[in-house]
Formats: sequence, structure tokens, C-alpha cells
Amino acid sequence: GAVVSQHPSRVICKSGTSVKIECRSLDFQATTMFWYRQFPKQSLMLMATSNEGSKATYEQGVEKDKFLINHASLTLSTLTVTSAHPEDSSFYICSASPRQGALETQYFGPGTRLLVL
Amino acid sequence: DAKTTQPTSMDCAEGRAANLPCNHSTISGNEYVYWYRQIHSQGPQYIIHGLKNNETNEMASLIITEDRKSSTLILPHATLRDTAVYYCIVRPSFGNEKLTFGTGTRLTIIP
Repeated sequence: GAVVSQHPSRVICKSGTSVKIECRSLDFQATTMFWYRQFPKQSLMLMATSNEGSKATYEQGVEKDKFLINHASLTLSTLTVTSAHPEDSSFYICSASPRQGALETQYFGPGTRLLVL
Repeated sequence: DAKTTQPTSMDCAEGRAANLPCNHSTISGNEYVYWYRQIHSQGPQYIIHGLKNNETNEMASLIITEDRKSSTLILPHATLRDTAVYYCIVRPSFGNEKLTFGTGTRLTIIP
């Protein structure tokens, strides 16, 4: 099946710093990538939808100036958590849909665990 | 709001068939039923999807009732590695591609 990677797999940072997470589709092109956040013992919550070459669409309640999303190519999307705070500590997961076909299955990355101290 | 209802948790003996139910009574005619699972601390894994016909692949079978208001995911011979949270999701086939995750069913395979 299609492979999606994320880097880094886990990161620890100090409060106030920024962290960038990369999401790559390794064997297919993805016009659309999605970013989710998952807190312990909770389900995945969609943060934003990222389309190649255009601005991301953020879900209600997600601050676009805090969670910067860039989808510069058909295989790469990045999520930057700016001025991170301890409450931003979470499991961040991306997914990507193959470009071809109207019925598209999303393939998920392995996730990035962020800990803000 | 999640459009599906699943039991919170289930146990299944190793080697037996695991049957995971899902209610989606408000499903629309153009919405598919998708199943994903999430093993602890990993990203979700696609399992199977269907519209109205039963579907089978190398991982599982999906049985959708004739009125499409419910479905059952069947893992024919459960192994310990099938322990995970299983999510049933309905999604339009065109346009909006968002997947809205509910709380899912935590399936535990018992040795």
C-alpha cells in the first residue's frame, strides 16, 4: 500500500520555541494532505486540510497563525507549531490522499509525538 | 459530530473471528463506510471500505446491511497483533474528503 512518512517521530522542545514536522508521501503524489492531533486516550481531531500550492483550510478553533502549514510540493507538507506551549504537547499525525481517482483513500503517517517543556 | 456509533470496547479470543459492529443510521446515499484501525502510538491504518455490497480483502470482510444503516467488520482469525482501536467512518465519495473520527472500538485479543 501507499506509504506516508513523518519526521521527526518524536521531539522535545522548550516552551516558546517553534517546531517543524514534515509529512511525505513516498510512493505517490498527494494533492491533499491532512493534519490531525490526538491527545492521550482521545480520538484523532482534524486540524487542517492542506492543498498543494494553496492556503490550508483550518478547522474551527485551530489557530492558523500558531499552526503554520505549507504544502509546497505534491509529496511534502509541513506543520510548524510556533511559540509552542506545554498544552501543545500531543501526537500529531498527517495523512495523504493519492492524486488519481475520485474515490480516494487516506493513508496515514506514523505520527510525531511532541513534548513541550 | 460523529455519524457512527460503535461499542466502546470488545474482547475476542485469539484465533477466533472478531466481529465489530457499527451503526450509521443517518448515512446518505453517496456516503461510503470506511474502517481504519490504530495500534497504540501509531498512525491509523486503512482496512477496508464499501458502499452497499459486501467487501473482502486480505485483512478483513465488511458486511453492510441492505438498508445500509449498519455494518460489521469481520477479522476472520484474530491474532494478538489485531489489538487496536477500530474506527468506523462514513464519508462522501466525492468532494469533501475529511475523515471524522469518533471514539472507535477498543478491541483486545485475548491469548
